[in-house]
Amino acid sequence: AQSVTQPDIHITVSEGASLELRCNYSYGATPYLFWYVQSPGQGLQLLLKYFSGDTLVQGIKGFEAEFKRSQSSFNLRKPSVHWSDAAEYFCAVGALNNDMRFGAGTRLTVKP
Amino acid sequence: SQTIHQWPATLVQPVGSPLSLECTVEGTSNPNLYWYRQAAGRGLQLLFYSVGIGQISSEVPQNLSASRPQDRQFILSSKKLLLSDSGFYLCAWGSGGGTDTQYFGPGTRLTVL
Repeated sequence: AQSVTQPDIHITVSEGASLELRCNYSYGATPYLFWYVQSPGQGLQLLLKYFSGDTLVQGIKGFEAEFKRSQSSFNLRKPSVHWSDAAEYFCAVGALNNDMRFGAGTRLTVKP
Repeated sequence: SQTIHQWPATLVQPVGSPLSLECTVEGTSNPNLYWYRQAAGRGLQLLFYSVGIGQISSEVPQNLSASRPQDRQFILSSKKLLLSDSGFYLCAWGSGGGTDTQYFGPGTRLTVL
């Protein structure tokens, strides 16, 4: 079965600084990769997804992610963080058997 | 457009009491439906998924059960709650199995005392 590792439990960045959240996956076939964001007490919202094609994927709210097969990674980036980006971020890998596995999440704190 | 509802939003129940959480989807037909649990400081754990009425797959053996009495209704139940059942329960729907986007409801915060 597939699995996802998000190595950073908590990250703090200053407003206006760049951001990179790490995600590593394990899956024997071509992965279907997702990044979701969760505001406190809310459900999850899709930021972006990768199925095939261009390995640099653009999402909502100015986020992008790059798929690197050689590193089994799908890191999320944003060039300039806003205070409203403070939330929890989940990386996920999907498979054809209706099984989507989520990472443990990275909590982002934004300093003014 | 599609919307997904969950209720109640918050629930406090004593140990040993029954549980029923409901999830309904509007604006789509024959969705795949999912129940996840999110424990404090942890990621999402898939509990159940359903590809059609009466079809339930369980991912984790536990104190909970799920049912899908109607196409767009998904219910999570327990006969006797345990302390370890506390958490944030999320319902989601999708149209393409594990490889497609899942759309999440607002969640139910369950506290078992």
